[in-house]
Amino acid sequence: QVQLVQSGAEVKKPGASVKVSCKASGYTFTSYYIHWVRQAPGQGLEWMGIINPSGGGTDYAQKFQGRVTMTRDTSTSTFYMELSTLTSEDTAVYYCARRERFDYWGQGTLVTVSS
Amino acid sequence: QSALTQPRSVSGSPGQSVTISCTGTSGDVGGYNSVSWYQQYPGKVPQLMIYDVTKRPSGVPDRFSGSNSGNTASLTISGLQAEDEADYYCCSYAGSGYVFGTGTKVIVL
Repeated sequence: QVQLVQSGAEVKKPGASVKVSCKASGYTFTSYYIHWVRQAPGQGLEWMGIINPSGGGTDYAQKFQGRVTMTRDTSTSTFYMELSTLTSEDTAVYYCARRERFDYWGQGTLVTVSS
Repeated sequence: QSALTQPRSVSGSPGQSVTISCTGTSGDVGGYNSVSWYQQYPGKVPQLMIYDVTKRPSGVPDRFSGSNSGNTASLTISGLQAEDEADYYCCSYAGSGYVFGTGTKVIVL
């Protein structure tokens, strides 16, 4: 069965970076794009960007341009999302989701930014 | 990209129908047949309910249906059930990425 398993919760200080992983299984890794979506406490869903698992090409939301990097490791079927220069407003649950229709989601990774 | 506009909440009694609107622009909802809808319970992961405006993944009850007209997409829940009380989000392809709606809480009276 399709699974996206994300890394555990993180606590970071303002100005630091965080790298969240998303390990895919149950399907052909290179077949479907992966999105990254975040949700701040009590807020809605926010699209951050997308990565092509075949060539590694990316497309980021304008809001995160210059601060986010999405990569993948085909040898381990794992996707990564790194967000830099963190502020308290980056405190959120970060999700990976598969395919243009977001048909499968990871369990979410809580990133807390606090001094 | 600005978030798509959804009503903050809609409500209905069991058995009734409710419709959630999702208003965007010709650059997103009105320009592509790529609107999807997600159900999210508090503290849980979003679940795909509708994709490509009208298509329903296997396992999603046929009480859920989608449509669109111009720059507005809609999700209709027919025969409302207590378990349908949750938050619902629309999402549209927007040419240079994707954009989510502001979210709607469905309240079952």
